[in-house]
Amino acid sequence: AQKITQTQPGMFVQEKEAVTLDCTYDTSDQSYGLFWYKQPSSGEMIFLIYQGSYDEQNATEGRYSLNFQKARKSANLVISASQLGDSAMYFCAMREGHDRGSTLGRLYFGRGTQLTVWP
Amino acid sequence: DTEVTQTPKHLVMGMTNKKSLKCEQHMGHRAMYWYKQKAKKPPELMFVYSYEKLSINESVPSRFSPECPNSSLLNLHLHALQPEDSALYLCASSQYGGTSPYEQYFGPGTRLTVT
Repeated sequence: AQKITQTQPGMFVQEKEAVTLDCTYDTSDQSYGLFWYKQPSSGEMIFLIYQGSYDEQNATEGRYSLNFQKARKSANLVISASQLGDSAMYFCAMREGHDRGSTLGRLYFGRGTQLTVWP
Repeated sequence: DTEVTQTPKHLVMGMTNKKSLKCEQHMGHRAMYWYKQKAKKPPELMFVYSYEKLSINESVPSRFSPECPNSSLLNLHLHALQPEDSALYLCASSQYGGTSPYEQYFGPGTRLTVT
């Protein structure tokens, strides 16, 4: 079974509007971390935001927030006030286990969502 | 400074060539990773180094040979590649230990074309 599912291959949003990118995950671990990365056409993977499984509050970083619903196993990324520079591929990823020694930080990636922001 | 550098940015090589990709980070991270990424696909993990020792090899063909000469450098030696090995090769590093969220920081990648 896929550990990370992103069901939106492509999303379109008008500049200055908010957009939500969906991510669901599958794990039996109690301790895990969820990450969102942005990949522009240049190729570099840019870390955006992190949510730990024990964090009670949703993570926020500037215009990015993570809508974490543990019971539903979802970790949606919300981008507020979209900008043209937000156009990129967005990947949701998960690291299982708290003991990094056992997992070596291995990340499981979803297939990604291509976001296009139009003026 | 959260920078991971990779050289070269682009590489074109024939199937009989030998070349190397280089990755460098100065963040004190002790875990380093090589990923392969095909167009419009997620990155695929190839190797993980932990404290300069190879810890994970995801059944990568032997024509890819990783090397970690020191805690800041990671190389990927390429030999007798196939056209299907053409891809974006990403290097990443992460902190090992502590209470940070252990995010991986990625370099800009090397776009490899095998002719």
